[in-house]
Amino acid sequence: NAGVTQTPKFQVLKTGQSMTLQCAQDMNHEYMSWYRQDPGMGLRLIHYSVGAGITDQGEVPNGYNVSRSTTEDFPLRLLSAAPSQTSVYFCASSGRRQLSYNEQFFGPGTRLTVL
Amino acid sequence: AQSVTQLDSQVPVFEEAPVELRCNYSSSVSVYLFWYVQYPNQGLQLLLKYLSGSTLVKGINGFEAEFNKSQTSFHLRKPSVHISDTAEYFCAVSLRLSGGYNKLIFGAGTRLAVHP
Repeated sequence: NAGVTQTPKFQVLKTGQSMTLQCAQDMNHEYMSWYRQDPGMGLRLIHYSVGAGITDQGEVPNGYNVSRSTTEDFPLRLLSAAPSQTSVYFCASSGRRQLSYNEQFFGPGTRLTVL
Repeated sequence: AQSVTQLDSQVPVFEEAPVELRCNYSSSVSVYLFWYVQYPNQGLQLLLKYLSGSTLVKGINGFEAEFNKSQTSFHLRKPSVHISDTAEYFCAVSLRLSGGYNKLIFGAGTRLAVHP
């Protein structure tokens, strides 16, 4: 049971390039999400998904796309990278909608630098 | 709107001394509260959570927190810290969104530095 995995761990992009951050979970969780972490701002929600085929925007969705074709995977796409997207990105997953609370499990993060 | 304020951005402390990391929240509804720890270059790990019941919550690594509804606080404490407790600590509150997803709203973080 690997939990939540993310690839790559580090990435450097030039302004305007596109890329996909990968996230996978093997806990059969319904919910998955992407957060970005910036100094002095904690973590902020980018996008989330409540199940395969269902996604919604969080606080800071601009410049990012997501899709959820399977329960296990939730990739985050940067369409045209900008220096403001330099950040550490965390993927998280949590359990089932029947419960009033589901603990979120975080991946190890992807450190992205946009030059 | 819900928000979280961590009152100290950095807390230096000597080894074996007690420590308190302060967290205040604002919310118009009942809340779930959390403390996460992030060790250098790692992801977030849940330290403890308050969902309901006893206002004193015990977590991993000897940490505990007290939920105070009247003061809207959820301060984290440890009676004796170790060098290995050096990390960044995040307080968070949960907001339930459409579809049942519990979004986490994080404070800015407190960097705990334990010195020998």
